Amino acid sequence: QKEVEQNSGPLSVPEGAIASLNCTYSDRGSQSFFWYRQYSGKSPELIMSIYSNGDKEDGRFTAQLNKASQYVSLLIRDSQPSDSATYLCAVSTRGGSYIPTFGRGTSLIVHP
Amino acid sequence: ETGVTQSPTHLIKTRGQQVTLRCSSQSGHNTVSWYQQALGQGPQFIFQYYREEENGRGNFPPRFSGLQFPNYSSELNVNALELDDSALYLCASSLGAGGNEKLFFGSGTQLSVL
Repeated sequence: QKEVEQNSGPLSVPEGAIASLNCTYSDRGSQSFFWYRQYSGKSPELIMSIYSNGDKEDGRFTAQLNKASQYVSLLIRDSQPSDSATYLCAVSTRGGSYIPTFGRGTSLIVHP
Repeated sequence: ETGVTQSPTHLIKTRGQQVTLRCSSQSGHNTVSWYQQALGQGPQFIFQYYREEENGRGNFPPRFSGLQFPNYSSELNVNALELDDSALYLCASSLGAGGNEKLFFGSGTQLSVL
């Protein structure tokens, strides 16, 4: 079982809709959770971090963490074509010495 | 822009050769992590350096080695290159080595092994 799992997609949503991206992890001792956005041909950039259960909002982005169910999600409200990218979930797992372990990423396509 | 710089941006090598990739960390950051990203995959952790010492290592063979300098810049060396080493190599710096630290990535080095 992979430590961090994401559906590779692509997830296609119309402009203005809510995009929901999900990530599950296997290590219950995981401490920190991150969402990175990676445009094609570019390097990842951090968009959200979350450390405790519940929701964390930043502009159009909301990260949700549920440690009991071992999942973390990212909601993007009012999706724009410029949000089209691959979204990488990263988790600091005990098995990985708490150095962030990445999922394979979910490709998001926002169509006009 | 994150302030993390990597060189070179692109590199073509043949199987069996050796390569050195370089990374300058963001000002104030003392930790550098190296990741390998194959096409269509997420970044895979290679190793991390914290204050010039290796702080963790992923599931990569010993022919992948590195070091960190007193100014916290870092090098990744790969010996005896194999075709499967073709990938984007990402360097990320952070304020520290703790699990809560956010990673700031450089633009990467695209390595092609022929």
